[in-house]
Amino acid sequence: GESVGLHLPTLSVQEGDNSIINCAYSNSASDYFIWYKQESGKGPQFIIDIRSNMDKRQGQRVTVLLNKTVKHLSLQIAATQPGDSAVYFCAETSGTYKYIFGTGTRLKVLA
Amino acid sequence: NAGVTQTPKFRILKIGQSMTLQCTQDMNHNYMYWYRQDPGMGLKLIYYSVGAGITDKGEVPNGYNVSRSTTEDFPLRLELAAPSQTSVYFCASSYRRPSTDTQYFGPGTRLTVL
Repeated sequence: GESVGLHLPTLSVQEGDNSIINCAYSNSASDYFIWYKQESGKGPQFIIDIRSNMDKRQGQRVTVLLNKTVKHLSLQIAATQPGDSAVYFCAETSGTYKYIFGTGTRLKVLA
Repeated sequence: NAGVTQTPKFRILKIGQSMTLQCTQDMNHNYMYWYRQDPGMGLKLIYYSVGAGITDKGEVPNGYNVSRSTTEDFPLRLELAAPSQTSVYFCASSYRRPSTDTQYFGPGTRLTVL
């Protein structure tokens, strides 16, 4: 019974495949971007971040790509696992105390 | 470390009632934030604090109040609950300002106003 995640776009991926989740950000002055994972009934959890002076950053099984020209951010998850099922959303900030959060994408991992 | 903790987890209020949502962090973070999350919407900032004794309004402060008397605690007060305040509330903290540090979130408080 989650109020978070209703009417969200859903990405369904077979276990073991790679997932790509996209985010269009709004402010061309934003210089710091974060991807969060939110599991059912829990608070958002930090996955990976990237600054505007980079176009790619890799973590463990995750990669974030930043395209400032078209204000687009993507999260790639390699070898998607059942535990990756969650809502993923991006956040941007331009150095103020305010983050702008996307609405999120629900990732469903199919066994 | 427990991280960011919030109480209660769930609460049902009647219109016009008041309550305080509690938030505590044990990471010695300077910055603390309150957000609300409505269905199909991104997190909206209610209030934030850059240190003990210093608070400021976010995007949607109407109907809420905060205080920050210690580094650890950042309670959110609803004085006259309205149905529009039905939401999931998240507290978050960070050591440095947002452009240089990520935020750590609590588990949330699900509030229903009837």
